[in-house]
Amino acid sequence: EAGVTQFPSHSVIEKGQTVTLRCDPISGHDNLYWYRRVMGKEIKFLLHFVKESKQDESGMPNNRFLAERTGGTYSTLKVQPAELEDSGVYFCASSRQENTEAFFGQGTRLTVV
Amino acid sequence: AQSVTQLDSQVPVFEEAPVELRCNYSSSVSVYLFWYVQYPNQGLQLLLKYLSGSTLVKGINGFEAEFNKSQTSFHLRKPSVHISDTAEYFCAVSEDDYKLSFGAGTTVTVRA
Repeated sequence: EAGVTQFPSHSVIEKGQTVTLRCDPISGHDNLYWYRRVMGKEIKFLLHFVKESKQDESGMPNNRFLAERTGGTYSTLKVQPAELEDSGVYFCASSRQENTEAFFGQGTRLTVV
Repeated sequence: AQSVTQLDSQVPVFEEAPVELRCNYSSSVSVYLFWYVQYPNQGLQLLLKYLSGSTLVKGINGFEAEFNKSQTSFHLRKPSVHISDTAEYFCAVSEDDYKLSFGAGTTVTVRA
């Protein structure tokens, strides 16, 4: 069984540009989560999808961030326009149900210069 | 809202020595507790979790953790570490069993 896959693994963009991160969850997992770790700080929750619906987006930092999960399969997280403070590692996780183990991807390291 | 404090950011340890990683949390309600590990160039992997029942939880790779409600702690231990245990370890809590709050992480470096 393939694990959670994230693309790209690394991305370096200039301030003001747009970047789209992608997450492919484990097949059959209805729950998908995005987290972010800013350098040297805690991993912070961003949002939670159940299938294609956003259940909780309380952790989204501002309206420059847009997450989608069309069709309830893969998810994208777009940052537009990117700012320097958006740099960090973005993790995606998925679980079959809300109260079951969440499996994490390797993360996308985003650097905004 | 809950918060998690990992008291040590770096823990150097010799191979075959014991290690303890400390984790304290604050929450006004009952919580679920987790330890995750991130090996170099890999994603987060669940080591163990406490949901209810016995306060001593055994996980993968010889790790165990003990939930202490009165001290609001969930310290992780391993009696004898290997070089391959070099990684970053994260303590996490959840009040609702889906949204995790993580500590800042503890980097364990095992030396021969």
